[in-house]
Amino acid sequence: KQEVTQIPAALSVPEGENLVLNCSFTDSAIYNLQWFRQDPGKGLTSLLLIQSSQREQTSGRLNASLDKSSGRSTLYIAASQPGDSATYLCAVKGGANNLFFGTGTRLTVIP
Amino acid sequence: KAGVTQTPRYLIKTRGQQVTLSCSPISGHRSVSWYQQTPGQGLQFLFEYFSETQRNKGNFPGRFSGRQFSNSRSEMNVSTLELGDSALYLCASSLGLPETQYFGPGTRLLVL
Repeated sequence: KQEVTQIPAALSVPEGENLVLNCSFTDSAIYNLQWFRQDPGKGLTSLLLIQSSQREQTSGRLNASLDKSSGRSTLYIAASQPGDSATYLCAVKGGANNLFFGTGTRLTVIP
Repeated sequence: KAGVTQTPRYLIKTRGQQVTLSCSPISGHRSVSWYQQTPGQGLQFLFEYFSETQRNKGNFPGRFSGRQFSNSRSEMNVSTLELGDSALYLCASSLGLPETQYFGPGTRLLVL
């Protein structure tokens, strides 16, 4: 069974700092990997989707990389802002159309 | 285009009761998936429906069931509620297998 782990569980950084969130998965036979953001009590907002054949995706200040062979992905956030404070979740999709989620990293950006 | 909508947003039930949650996908999306989110277990996949057929199922007891209608709207039913069923229930829609899943705001269920 696919297991997805995210480290660290929580992270607190001063505004303006660049940061990296980590995601690892046990089964490299994935279809794609997706990073989400979740604000307290809310649903999920998709940030980036990386297909298994891709190495990275970028959107604004966000950059996600994927190393399928080692079962790792990173989400890089440049010049962090207080509005980036949220829980970040990574999820991998196998052959079926369901996602296996990590436990999330709770990010706090201090003004 | 309107996003994924879920009703109701909040629900309080007592043990032993049953509950039905509704999800309306983004127009044109034929796949609807349901997830349960709890502090202890995180986000776990319940099931997926595509063109009115259950295509995939997670590891949940038979008390959890669902269905999808011809307009792609989906309902999830939980019978004989237990305290541990208290959770945020999220649905997601997509065009199909390779596509991004878009999530609704969720239904927060509290079982007393």
